[in-house]
Amino acid sequence: AQRVTQPEKLLSVFKGAPVELKCNYSYSGSPELFWYVQYSRQRLQLLLRHISRESIKGFTADLNKGETSFHLKKPFAQEEDSAMYYCALGGSEKLVFGKGTKLTVNP
Amino acid sequence: DAGVTQSPTHLIKTRGQQVTLRCSPISGHKSVSWYQQVLGQGPQFIFQYYEKEERGRGNFPDRFSARQFPNYSSELNVNALLLGDSALYLCASSPGRTTASTDTQYFGPGTRLTVL
Repeated sequence: AQRVTQPEKLLSVFKGAPVELKCNYSYSGSPELFWYVQYSRQRLQLLLRHISRESIKGFTADLNKGETSFHLKKPFAQEEDSAMYYCALGGSEKLVFGKGTKLTVNP
Repeated sequence: DAGVTQSPTHLIKTRGQQVTLRCSPISGHKSVSWYQQVLGQGPQFIFQYYEKEERGRGNFPDRFSARQFPNYSSELNVNALLLGDSALYLCASSPGRTTASTDTQYFGPGTRLTVL
């Protein structure tokens, strides 16, 4: 079975501080990992996916198959990063989302 | 392109009733997926349709059904509504080259369903 765990429901940091949103997954096949983000009053949208190996808005995420993790990181958080972040696992028929982490970046 | 559109925005129904939600994908996208998002949870996959055929189904009862039309728009139907069906229903479209599990999903604004 596919399962995604985001252990932090809420995460609060100050502007300029590093931020890490944790994501762990369980899947016996070859995983496809994504981070989706929902800013206030906006639609859910893709932030990045592991196969792209891109840095989007300063965020990066590395797939660690040994630790079954796909943590999202940014070295210097900005106030506009405040949003709801969802980790998602694909690879079979369906995309499975975690429960999400609400990130608040304080001035 | 306005992106993925969904109608209605909000809906209130009573237990036992039936509901139909509608979705129009981004122009050129051939795949539509439906998700249920209960308050405090992430979206949960219900269906994926591609070229009018069901490509994937999540763990939802048979009360949930969907279809896709020749213009790639889609409807989600829920029969015999229960209180627990109250949720935000999200539609997402994708080019359809692969399954919903690996294709980037472009989400609509959602339909908020309240069952009383």
